[in-house]
Amino acid sequence: AQSVSQHNHHVILSEAASLELGCNYSYGGTVNLFWYVQYPGQHLQLLLKYFSGDPLVKGIKGFEAEFIKSKFSFNLRKPSVQWSDTAEYFCAVIPSGGSYIPTFGRGTSLIVHP
Amino acid sequence: DAMVIQNPRYQVTQFGKPVTLSCSQTLNHNVMYWYQQKSSQAPKLLFHYYDKDFNNEADTPDNFQSRRPNTSFCFLDIRSPGLGDAAMYLCATTPAGIGGYTFGSGTRLTVV
Repeated sequence: AQSVSQHNHHVILSEAASLELGCNYSYGGTVNLFWYVQYPGQHLQLLLKYFSGDPLVKGIKGFEAEFIKSKFSFNLRKPSVQWSDTAEYFCAVIPSGGSYIPTFGRGTSLIVHP
Repeated sequence: DAMVIQNPRYQVTQFGKPVTLSCSQTLNHNVMYWYQQKSSQAPKLLFHYYDKDFNNEADTPDNFQSRRPNTSFCFLDIRSPGLGDAAMYLCATTPAGIGGYTFGSGTRLTVV
C-alpha cells in the first residue's frame, strides 16, 4: 500500500518569507498527486494537482508544486507567504489506473506571523 | 453553487447515545466518502460508496455504519459513541474516475 510522508509537522514563518513544504510518497507505480489546504475552521480545499505532463504545477493563491519522480517527491512552494496562508496543508496521493482512494499525509501546520 | 453540505457543523452527543451525521451533494458525483480527522492527523477514510456499492475500510470499527439512500445523500451512523470517537468527520465526493475531491465543511463531534 502507498504511504505519504510530510516531514514538516509545524512551520512558522514571517510574512514575505519563502515556503517549501515537503511531501514524499512510497509507491512504485504512476501516481496522481494533490495538495489540499484547510484554513482554521474550514473544510479541505484543493490547492493544486498533478496528473501528468509538466512536473511543475501552478495552483491557486500563488502556490506551486514540483513533481520529482526520481525522488518520489511533490513539494509545495510559495515565494512569499502572507498571514492569510496560515492553515493546515495536506499532501495526497492516488495511484493511477483505476483507484480513486487518496492516501493523505499527516499534514503540516503553517503559521505566518504578520 | 454546487457543493457538499454537512449537517450539523457541531454535534454534541452523550457517551453511548446513537448519533447520525448527514452529508448532501449537488454535484451528482458517483463516489462519496466519510473521513474521520483527529487533531493534527491526516483524514482517515472510514468507508466510501461508489454509487450504491458500499466499501468498508478494514480497520473501521463496527460501531460506524453508513447509508446512502440516493445519489445526493449519505449518512454516518455511530451506534454507541465513545470518547475516542470525538473528531471532525468529513464528507467528500468525486466523480467516477480521478479528480479533485470536493469536501464538505465537516461536522465536529463532541462526546460527553
